[in-house]
Amino acid sequence: DVVMTQSPLSLPVTLGQPASISCRSSQSLVSIDGNTYFNWFQQRPGQSPRRLIYKVSYRDSGVPDRFSGSGSGTDFTLTISRVEAEDVGVYYCMQATHWPQTFGQGTKLEIK
Amino acid sequence: DVQLVESGGGLVQPGGSLRLSCAASGFSFSSFSMTWVRQAPGKGLEWVANINEDGGKQYYADSVKGRFTISRDNAKNSLYLQMNSLRAEDTAVYYCARGINSEPWGQGTLVTVSS
Repeated sequence: DVVMTQSPLSLPVTLGQPASISCRSSQSLVSIDGNTYFNWFQQRPGQSPRRLIYKVSYRDSGVPDRFSGSGSGTDFTLTISRVEAEDVGVYYCMQATHWPQTFGQGTKLEIK
Repeated sequence: DVQLVESGGGLVQPGGSLRLSCAASGFSFSSFSMTWVRQAPGKGLEWVANINEDGGKQYYADSVKGRFTISRDNAKNSLYLQMNSLRAEDTAVYYCARGINSEPWGQGTLVTVSS
């Protein structure tokens, strides 16, 4: 199985400051069709997960533009340009290029 | 609006069975593969199973293979997860999600396996 390794696992951030989360996969996530099926999810306290980013860098509908995704191959990053209070929660990366789909361990973002 | 609503969770004894359902609305259900993902209390997300659009192909995590069965009824816009030989480690909130890239998710249903 593809192992997804996130860092950091805990991320205290001051309101209005930027934040970034890294995710590394144990093998390339480039599919045979040329796409990279790599996603970022946000899970706010007490809520279901919600996808923020798909195929590395495409924002889902309704996701604020302060969220951006980047990367390629095996190294990926989620960046929040200016953290707001509503961004508190756990962020997961997930790959769907290889079976089975696998998630990272999660990064807990909190406000300092 | 796209909506997924899970049901069927509850308390079951070890070795018992439970059938989860996921009712889909707001999109062409038969055009999408569907996924079950679970989350043990205080833990991260674990992919459980996936089924393709017509139900002809199913994929399972090793941890549930041989015990869980994913199925769907496109006429009823519904997804199912039959869970047999349940273990304490199957205790989790079970979510259904659309597609292999999992968007959106339902609200989840809690399964507790305990004597």
